[in-house]
Amino acid sequence: DTGVSQDPRHKITKRGQNVTFRCDPISEHNRLYWYRQTLGQGPEFLTYFQNEAQLEKSRLLSDRFSAERPKGSFSTLEIQRTEQGDSAMYLCASSLRRVLITDTQYFGPGTRLTVL
Amino acid sequence: DQQVKQNSPSLSVQEGRISILNCDYTNSMFDYFLWYKKYPAEGPTFLISISSIKDKNEDGRFTVFLNKSAKHLSLHIVPSQPGDSAVYFCAASARTGGGNKLTFGTGTQLKVEL
Repeated sequence: DTGVSQDPRHKITKRGQNVTFRCDPISEHNRLYWYRQTLGQGPEFLTYFQNEAQLEKSRLLSDRFSAERPKGSFSTLEIQRTEQGDSAMYLCASSLRRVLITDTQYFGPGTRLTVL
Repeated sequence: DQQVKQNSPSLSVQEGRISILNCDYTNSMFDYFLWYKKYPAEGPTFLISISSIKDKNEDGRFTVFLNKSAKHLSLHIVPSQPGDSAVYFCAASARTGGGNKLTFGTGTQLKVEL
């Protein structure tokens, strides 16, 4: 399977705990995106990387959230001191950015976070 | 501020008929539009896209139409099949910013009935 993979698929945690999610993009894709989706809404952009550089962060990404892509391959999204409002599906997408060609984002299956 | 709107939360169509899903946007900077399909417990799957320099793009049973003056796009599925039953999301991006981040609508649940 050469698609985007995410781990874990489900995470249940208690309020105040820290959680970390992992995303493995499609091989050779140089861009990686994180989105969050809550019930009844479409995915909302959180942040994106081009190779290892984090180029943009949404104002939705509070200081409790941090994302990394240390070697330009997989990425992690950490949420510190989780709150019930953090409960959502966290989606990762990757794309291949090439000059003069619009890149299409391909999504992983998501990690569903439930904060009790 | 919902920059991409899908005003129909649900749509029911008979198998073999045409499904038309609509999407409106407000941001004039958007120049690239996409449709994704989503099944429960899965991530969105890319269907079809269109650049703002075009008004139509076709791929098999799927056709996307773009009306820039009305800031409106639609997805036509012909003929509709039961396997098309899913949530469809319209998304838009402003490529000039360089990031190509997507702004999504709230989705339309399509049900194709036998």
